[in-house]
Amino acid sequence: KQEVTQIPAALSVPEGENLVLNCSFTDSAIYNLQWFRQDPGKGLTSLLLIQSSQREQTSGRLNASLDKSSGRSTLYIAASQPGDSATYLCAVYTGNQFYFGTGTSLTVIP
Amino acid sequence: GAVVSQHPSWVICKSGTSVKIECRSLDFQATTMFWYRQFPKQSLMLMATSNEGSKATYEQGVEKDKFLINHASLTLSTLTVTSAHPEDSSFYICSARRDPGLILYFGPGTRLTVT
Repeated sequence: KQEVTQIPAALSVPEGENLVLNCSFTDSAIYNLQWFRQDPGKGLTSLLLIQSSQREQTSGRLNASLDKSSGRSTLYIAASQPGDSATYLCAVYTGNQFYFGTGTSLTVIP
Repeated sequence: GAVVSQHPSWVICKSGTSVKIECRSLDFQATTMFWYRQFPKQSLMLMATSNEGSKATYEQGVEKDKFLINHASLTLSTLTVTSAHPEDSSFYICSARRDPGLILYFGPGTRLTVT
């Protein structure tokens, strides 16, 4: 069964820093990997989707990479802002269902 | 982009009552929808896969008689929590897979509080 792990579980950084969130998965047979943002008490907001054939995707200050063979993905956030504070979830899609990671709770201190 | 809605966004009910949560794909057809549950500070747990016109497939440990799922049309799936207990209090999120293809779209979630 697919298992998705995210490290660190929590991260606190001063505003302006660049940071990296890590996601690892046990089974490389995936269709895509998606990074989501979740604010407290809210649903999921999709940030970036990487197809299994892709290496990375970029959107604004966000860059996500995928190394399917090693079962890893990273989400890079440049020049962090207090508004980036949220929980970030990665999820791998097998074609049948999503498997979610445990999340990284990010706090950006003004 | 594609939109998935959930109704209600939050609900409070008394123990022993039943509550129904709706998940709608607003601008696309979805043969398959998924229901997730999320406890505070935890990740999403898949409860069941809902298939239009057929019975839902439940994940291990999820009581199918307690969490009734109906997917009567290509744009609507419902989750009914029967005989609710306080431990059923949680955040329930649905997602819909756009036909054809593999992209999933997530609803905004429903917060259920059972008193």
